[in-house]
Amino acid sequence: DGGITQSPKYLFRKEGQNVTLSCEQNLNHDAMYWYRQDPGQGLRLIYYSQIVNDFQKGDIAEGYSVSREKKESFPLTVTSAQKNPTAFYLCASSIVGNSPLHFGNGTRLTVT
Amino acid sequence: GIQVEQSPPDLILQEGANSTLRCNFSDSVNNLQWFHQNPWGQLINLFYIPSGTKQNGRLSATTVATERYSLLYISSSQTTDSGVYFCAVEPGTGANSKLTFGKGITLSVRP
Repeated sequence: DGGITQSPKYLFRKEGQNVTLSCEQNLNHDAMYWYRQDPGQGLRLIYYSQIVNDFQKGDIAEGYSVSREKKESFPLTVTSAQKNPTAFYLCASSIVGNSPLHFGNGTRLTVT
Repeated sequence: GIQVEQSPPDLILQEGANSTLRCNFSDSVNNLQWFHQNPWGQLINLFYIPSGTKQNGRLSATTVATERYSLLYISSSQTTDSGVYFCAVEPGTGANSKLTFGKGITLSVRP
């Protein structure tokens, strides 16, 4: 079945450590996105990529980094510079252009 | 930027009841999508509907772009309909990278 796989489902880290969240898709979508969701809030865009080896900052990119070396993969690194990293992180993909957005199941990151 | 308001913020239904969820937005849009987030956090795309009406089983959606609102109808609600419903819009090119999400409507369907 085609879909978007995020791993791990839960992640715990100590403050000051970088952590990388995985996102893989087999939908053959060109565009991939990372969103952050805080309790009781809508989603906010961190980074997006519309083509391999290219990506753009979203609304809240500070303290995060990404790479897009393969079409299927778009990992997100939460760096120690991110002031409030504890959140629910969602990866999404779509065909480039006006088209439905599809999400993975998310990773809950807790930093203490 | 564009403002998105969803109402009501919370809704409690008895199983079998019908409901209407509303999304108002402050500018014309080229991209409007409805999503359902289940209690485990999974987000499912329900409709891509920048204008017109679509139906999918017990769910249907209507967007009246000229009046800047969209409605999501749920008929014969089931407990599995519980969760948060998000509306997301984009006014310019319609690109997903510019979507603005509302804060969501929390629906609880009681058995």
